[in-house]
Amino acid sequence: KQEVTQIPAALSVPEGENLVLNCSFTDSAIYNLQWFRQDPGKGLTSLLLIQSSQREQTSGRLNASLDKSSGRSTLYIAASQPGDSATYLCAVNYGGSQGNLIFGKGTKLSVKP
Amino acid sequence: ETGVTQSPTHLIKTRGQQVTLRCSSQSGHNTVSWYQQALGQGPQFIFQYYREEENGRGNFPPRFSGLQFPNYSSELNVNALELDDSALYLCASSLEFDEYDNEQFFGPGTRLTVL
Repeated sequence: KQEVTQIPAALSVPEGENLVLNCSFTDSAIYNLQWFRQDPGKGLTSLLLIQSSQREQTSGRLNASLDKSSGRSTLYIAASQPGDSATYLCAVNYGGSQGNLIFGKGTKLSVKP
Repeated sequence: ETGVTQSPTHLIKTRGQQVTLRCSSQSGHNTVSWYQQALGQGPQFIFQYYREEENGRGNFPPRFSGLQFPNYSSELNVNALELDDSALYLCASSLEFDEYDNEQFFGPGTRLTVL
């Protein structure tokens, strides 16, 4: 069964810290992996997509890495800010151009001023 | 470029009723997927439409059905509503361009409450 797990479920850090969110998946035959941000009661905002052939992607203070062989991805957030507080979801695509996403349950991040 | 839009924003129904949710895909996107997100959970795949045909379905009963129109907008219909159908329903669109690079873009969701 293809499953995605995110640890920790919740994380609280002081402003300015660098932090890492973890995502693991059981089947390494992925096409791509996406990281999303979700604010309470809202939709999902795509942060980064990593294709299966890529090792990492960067956007501003965000860096996502992918290690297919170990079934892991990490999202690194540099110099965290209170505005980064949200739930971060990892999703894996096993089906290609018409594949659906399999999501983890997310990590709820709280950045304290 | 217009993003993914969904309507209505919120909806309250009673058990046994039927509901229709609507989604307009991002400009130029021909694939629409629907997801159900229960409180505190990650989204679960319901089904996907590609060029007006159902193109994959998750573990949801037949009372969940859908349509995609020639302009690629889509509807999700749920019959015989149950209390457990209360959730945030998310629509995502993508473009069949590259099977490794098909980023999915989500709408704001419709919050359905079944009483």
